[in-house]
Amino acid sequence: DQQVKQNSPSLSVQEGRISILNCDYTNSMFDYFLWYKKYPAEGPTFLISISSIKDKNEDGRFTVFLNKSAKHLSLHIVPSQPGDSAVYFCAASGTGSARQLTFGSGTQLTVLP
Amino acid sequence: NAGVTQTPKFQVLKTGQSMTLQCAQDMNHNSMYWYRQDPGMGLRLIYYSASEGTTDKGEVPNGYNVSRLNKREFSLRLESAAPSQTSVYFCASSEMAGAGDQPQHFGDGTRLSIL
Repeated sequence: DQQVKQNSPSLSVQEGRISILNCDYTNSMFDYFLWYKKYPAEGPTFLISISSIKDKNEDGRFTVFLNKSAKHLSLHIVPSQPGDSAVYFCAASGTGSARQLTFGSGTQLTVLP
Repeated sequence: NAGVTQTPKFQVLKTGQSMTLQCAQDMNHNSMYWYRQDPGMGLRLIYYSASEGTTDKGEVPNGYNVSRLNKREFSLRLESAAPSQTSVYFCASSEMAGAGDQPQHFGDGTRLSIL
């Protein structure tokens, strides 16, 4: 069973608007959440993370929100730019058997000029 | 800054052939990882090495072996390749395994096709 789920395989957004990418998790042992960005023919690169003791973390145009009670996190990109077009992976790690990163299946974001 | 370097970038094998994928990092990281990425499934952990001299199984270890040659290098071996092992393989490294606040750094992948 998928412990980290990204239910939207793709998302298209107009340049300048907000992009919202969603991620749900099922394992209560997860206590750290990360977003990675991946361009074609390249490896994933770290984008932003959040600890379970916070509910928001911001870095420039990128903000991650965590709702622990709903086991849900989201990545907001404002404003969206064509260079943001990529696959975005949500990942989570925690303690014990959940120590290693577990990835979601990814969301392809396309920012239209 | 090379970061994580994987070789080769592409490879085609026949069923039953063997192959070793190479990975090296120059960030002096303690931990290294091998993942495979298949369509619609994200990245799945094959094996990892928390520190030099140790290796552990991940989510999908069957059909693979690994060697942590030294602190810099971590290789993945397919002893008898099967079509189900057709995938894109990523190597990654981090300062410490299981430390959520220390992101993993990835190589650009090896695209492996097994006929």
